[in-house]
Amino acid sequence: GAVVSQHPSWVICKSGTSVKIECRSLDFQATTMFWYRQFPKQSLMLMATSNEGSKATYEQGVEKDKFLINHASLTLSTLTVTSAHPEDSSFYICSAGGQNTDTQYFGPGTRLTVL
Amino acid sequence: KQEVTQIPAALSVPEGENLVLNCSFTDSAIYNLQWFRQDPGKGLTSLLLIQSSQREQTSGRLNASLDKSSGRSTLYIAASQPGDSATYLCAAPGSSNTGKLIFGQGTTLQVKP
Repeated sequence: GAVVSQHPSWVICKSGTSVKIECRSLDFQATTMFWYRQFPKQSLMLMATSNEGSKATYEQGVEKDKFLINHASLTLSTLTVTSAHPEDSSFYICSAGGQNTDTQYFGPGTRLTVL
Repeated sequence: KQEVTQIPAALSVPEGENLVLNCSFTDSAIYNLQWFRQDPGKGLTSLLLIQSSQREQTSGRLNASLDKSSGRSTLYIAASQPGDSATYLCAAPGSSNTGKLIFGQGTTLQVKP
């Protein structure tokens, strides 16, 4: 099946720094990628929809200036958490959809800890 | 707006039992529904994808059903094993043809040996 990777798998940073998370579709082209956030013992919440070559669509309540998304190619989307704070500590998961949006493939997730 | 609810939030059963996990959704105009498994601290593993035209899908000891009219889906696990212990998430499309998924809160299953 299709494979989606995320890098890094975990990251620890100081408050106020920015962190970039990469999501790659390894063996297929993803016109659409999705970014989710999961707090401990909670479910996944969609943050934004990333479309190749255009601006991301953010869900209500998600600060687009804080969570910068770039989808510059059909195999790579990046999420940058700017000026991270401890409350941004979470598990970030991306998924990628191919031409058939019925199917999404999920990455392994990135655990962000902000000290 | 699509909302997905899973019951129960947690379930503990002895090994060998058959069990049913429930998922309900508010917007029945869905084109599919998915069940995922998540182990602690890990990503998602897709278990079953049911298209709107299907009533059920089976994979090994897992069987998922879909009833759009009632807004419900169930995941049946037969002959449960300790290795089945994980959190099970169901997800429904948020709106047609955008691809985004709305997840339930999950059911955390513990199968005791």
